[in-house]
Amino acid sequence: DAGVTQSPTHLIKTRGQHVTLRCSPISGHKSVSWYQQVLGQGPQFIFQYYEKEERGRGNFPDRFSARQFPNYSSELNVNALLLGDSALYLCASSLGSLVTGELFFGEGSRLTVL
Amino acid sequence: AQRVTQPEKLLSVFKGAPVELKCNYSYSGSPELFWYVQYSRQRLQLLLRHISRESIKGFTADLNKGETSFHLKKPFAQEEDSAMYYCALSPQGAQKLVFGQGTRLTINP
Repeated sequence: DAGVTQSPTHLIKTRGQHVTLRCSPISGHKSVSWYQQVLGQGPQFIFQYYEKEERGRGNFPDRFSARQFPNYSSELNVNALLLGDSALYLCASSLGSLVTGELFFGEGSRLTVL
Repeated sequence: AQRVTQPEKLLSVFKGAPVELKCNYSYSGSPELFWYVQYSRQRLQLLLRHISRESIKGFTADLNKGETSFHLKKPFAQEEDSAMYYCALSPQGAQKLVFGQGTRLTINP
């Protein structure tokens, strides 16, 4: 198993554009979470999905949205990009909905907004 | 609000010396606490969680509710311990982790 896979690994956008980031969880994992990591900071929670339903949302504007598909993969969408959205976006999967179990992280998608 | 503070951004110790990475948290309930580690060119991964009270790679961490701390300790540092360490908190019943800023640990030969 390759672990959690994310695509694309790097991308550059300009202000006002839209971006879609994709995540495939470890086989058998039903929960996917998204985190934003700005340079020099720890990851910050954006969303959690479990069994295709949103189970948690962090303090991010409505420009951020996500969904989970029947195969448990997930997409994170960000509209009207701002310079401050430049960050590493991490996806994590887990077996259950609670994080008391282990989260398995992907390598991330590095977004640069110019 | 929940918050995790790691007061040291950088920590450098010599091989064989004891290591302590500090973590303080603020949360009114009973949190779940974790240490995650990221080695060079690897993914962020779980090191240990307080609920299992286990020792991983020689590291231990004790939850001190009175001081709201969850410091990570190892009696004898090894060069392969060099990495970025993140302390994280999960609020009771929540589906998220609240991470600290991280401490970059460097073990000098």
